[in-house]
Amino acid sequence: GNSVTQMEGPVTLSEEAFLTINCTYTATGYPSLFWYVQYPGEGLQLLLKATKADDKGSNKGFEATYRKETTSFHLEKGSVQVSDSAVYFCALSGTSYGKLTFGQGTILTVHP
Amino acid sequence: DTAVSQTPKYLVTQMGNDKSIKCEQNLGHDTMYWYKQDSKKFLKIMFSYNNKELIINETVPNRFSPKSPDKAHLNLHINSLELGDSAVYFCASSQVSGTTTNEKLFFGSGTQLSVL
Repeated sequence: GNSVTQMEGPVTLSEEAFLTINCTYTATGYPSLFWYVQYPGEGLQLLLKATKADDKGSNKGFEATYRKETTSFHLEKGSVQVSDSAVYFCALSGTSYGKLTFGQGTILTVHP
Repeated sequence: DTAVSQTPKYLVTQMGNDKSIKCEQNLGHDTMYWYKQDSKKFLKIMFSYNNKELIINETVPNRFSPKSPDKAHLNLHINSLELGDSAVYFCASSQVSGTTTNEKLFFGSGTQLSVL
């Protein structure tokens, strides 16, 4: 079945540091890939997505490229801010109707 | 207006009780979901409904019973609550095209359930 593996957290960075959160997946067919973000006390929000191989999703300075050859969708940001502190989830769409499979989440804390 | 709203935000109850969580979406979406998030932030789908019809029913104890009176509402009723049911429960909605989700999910802000 489908699965998503994210790098273990928590991740702690200083403001303006470079961020990478690794995500790899196992899936049949051609899934779409997503990054969701959960700020403290809130529900998840879509951060970015890519629907086919070599697509790059980007939003709010975050980027991720759909790499079919390495089955990866790593999240990057060049310069993080304190306000980026949140839990980040990698996810993929499946063939089951409307179902997303989420990774285990990576807690990011950014210090001033 | 909140797109996906769920109530209550916090629910503290004793083992053995029966409780309900309500969810409503005003986005006109045709599909709604319940997800469970454990203390380690792991998120797992429980159910999904499309136009009031049950589509996904993961391996969830039958003490959990979703009900969708119309496509804008998906409520979750839990019987005989157990300690292990303590978690954050998220409702979500989306507009599904075909059999895959290429459109984003909109999540509610969660219901933190604590079973004592």
